[in-house]
Amino acid sequence: AQKVTQAQTEISVVEKEDVTLDCVYETRDTTYYLFWYKQPPSGELVFLIRRNSFDEQNEISGRYSWNFQKSTSSFNFTITASQVVDSAVYFCALSEARAAGNKLTFGGGTRVLVKP
Amino acid sequence: KAGVTQTPRYLIKTRGQQVTLSCSPISGHRSVSWYQQTPGQGLQFLFEYFSETQRNKGNFPGRFSGRQFSNSRSEMNVSTLELGDSALYLCASSPGSPNEQFFGPGTRLTVL
Repeated sequence: AQKVTQAQTEISVVEKEDVTLDCVYETRDTTYYLFWYKQPPSGELVFLIRRNSFDEQNEISGRYSWNFQKSTSSFNFTITASQVVDSAVYFCALSEARAAGNKLTFGGGTRVLVKP
Repeated sequence: KAGVTQTPRYLIKTRGQQVTLSCSPISGHRSVSWYQQTPGQGLQFLFEYFSETQRNKGNFPGRFSGRQFSNSRSEMNVSTLELGDSALYLCASSPGSPNEQFFGPGTRLTVL
């Protein structure tokens, strides 16, 4: 069965520090998709990135970057030069192709607190 | 484009009652999924509807049901409410699969 583990429950940093969120996944499927979502205090989940299992290229989007390593089943997320607005809960999620749909399995989430 | 909307935003019910939550997806999106979020269990998948058919189902009891209409709007129903059903219920829509899902603001259900 699929599983997503986010070992860090809470991370506290001072503004402008970098923060890396870990995500480890388990799946028997050879085709799968990995996601990161942000949940600010308002509660609405905001999509950040989708990565398929055949694309191990790292990606950078502004201050956000993602490191996908199939060898270690990890899909880590780094926020560079953090800002107070980055304070939120971040979720890593997995979708298996064999489910033939959009079923997401979420990790437990990592709460990031950026202090001014 | 308007985002995913959910109504009502807040709901208070008592044990044994039933409740219906509504979700309007982004225009053009045919897939609607429902998730339950609680402090103890985290985010859990309930079910997904695509073109009025249930395509996936999570591990929830039969008290949880849903449906999708021809305009892609979806409803979720919980019968015989229990205290443990208190949660934030999130709806997400997607144009197809596998695609990123866009979430609504959620309905916070409190069962007393």
